[in-house]
Amino acid sequence: GQNIDQPTEMTATEGAIVQINCTYQTSGFNGLFWYQQHAGEAPTFLSYNVLDGLEEKGRFSSFLSRSKGYSYLLLKELQMKDSASYLCAVREGNYGGATNKLIFGTGTLLAVQP
Amino acid sequence: DSGVTQTPKHLITATGQRVTLRCSPRSGDLSVYWYQQSLDQGLQFLIQYYNGEERAKGNILERFSAQQFPDLHSELNLSSLELGDSALYFCASREAGGGTGELFFGEGSRLTVL
Repeated sequence: GQNIDQPTEMTATEGAIVQINCTYQTSGFNGLFWYQQHAGEAPTFLSYNVLDGLEEKGRFSSFLSRSKGYSYLLLKELQMKDSASYLCAVREGNYGGATNKLIFGTGTLLAVQP
Repeated sequence: DSGVTQTPKHLITATGQRVTLRCSPRSGDLSVYWYQQSLDQGLQFLIQYYNGEERAKGNILERFSAQQFPDLHSELNLSSLELGDSALYFCASREAGGGTGELFFGEGSRLTVL
């Protein structure tokens, strides 16, 4: 099974940079995802890492270290609309296989203040 | 709009009742996933179907059942409802073939059990 840990809450200032960490323990790892979820809305995909290193996508970057079971999501130039929950999820199963379920952490609620 | 459609959006019912939640995946997607999200918990994986067959099971109660039909839409049946079943129920589909294998989530069905 999977155990995924992330901080429950974080606060940051508009225009700043924030890093949200995620650690995981897994019996089968096949990729790590970050999703954004505004209250009461559907989660939306932000980033994906399957190999070690940094993936950059505009204001958002995500890093993965498989040997350490560690990932982080970096948000730059924070905007008020970035206030949301950020969910770390690990994929079990084989890529392309029929069982590719995502196991989610409980999420980090980010509050961006003026 | 993710392309995943869920109905109903809101549902209020009483304890002991039974409800059915419906999900249509994105056109061309063969996999359907069901997740439960309660106020104090993250996204909990319930069950996955692939092209009509059950492929993975998570923490789904025996009072809950699901199926995927030949047209690939899926239904989640919740019976003998309890207060604790009040939650947001999300359906997601995964793109067939290549890509990251990310999940695309519907807007969710908010179930309130009184």
